[in-house]
Amino acid sequence: AQSVTQPDIHITVSEGASLELRCNYSYGATPYLFWYVQSPGQGLQLLLKYFSGDTLVQGIKGFEAEFKRSQSSFNLRKPSVHWSDAAEYFCAVGGRTNAGKSTFGDGTTLTVKP
Amino acid sequence: DVKVTQSSRYLVKRTGEKVFLECVQDMDHENMFWYRQDPGLGLRLIYFSYDVKMKEKGDIPEGYSVSREKKERFSLILESASTNQTSMYLCASSLGLDTQYFGPGTRLTVL
Repeated sequence: AQSVTQPDIHITVSEGASLELRCNYSYGATPYLFWYVQSPGQGLQLLLKYFSGDTLVQGIKGFEAEFKRSQSSFNLRKPSVHWSDAAEYFCAVGGRTNAGKSTFGDGTTLTVKP
Repeated sequence: DVKVTQSSRYLVKRTGEKVFLECVQDMDHENMFWYRQDPGLGLRLIYFSYDVKMKEKGDIPEGYSVSREKKERFSLILESASTNQTSMYLCASSLGLDTQYFGPGTRLTVL
């Protein structure tokens, strides 16, 4: 069965500092990987996704993520965090064996200090 | 842009009531999903529909049913609401294996 682990429940960074959110997945076939962001009281919005090709993917709002098959990881990064990045972040894995479904991690809440 | 709308942002119901949560998407997506979101538990899939009148149980279907009579609309039904069904409910739609597009959520309180 597939699973996603986001080891950090809560992360606090200062505005302007760099950010890395960790994601480890377990999936028996070629994974399709996603990062979503959820602002307070809102639904989830896609930040970026990886299906194949270049293992470093760029997303919206200046985020990027790197797929590392050997480590079963898909960590999200941003070089300089803005106060508006405070939100909850979800990593998800899907693929052909899932028939359109994705398995989500439990999320990481990001707090940005001024 | 894909738009997924949910019938209510906030809903308060009494124990034992029948509750309908409606979701509509405007992008002709074949897949639609209902999740519930609780603090510390992430998103848990309740039901998934991959076509009109086709449905599949998710991880936590007990106490819920769904209806998909038209491609754009996916309804979640709580046959007899209970207090442990107080939660945030999120609807999503997708095309094939690609990105899921989420609605704004319905925060349901059962008293």
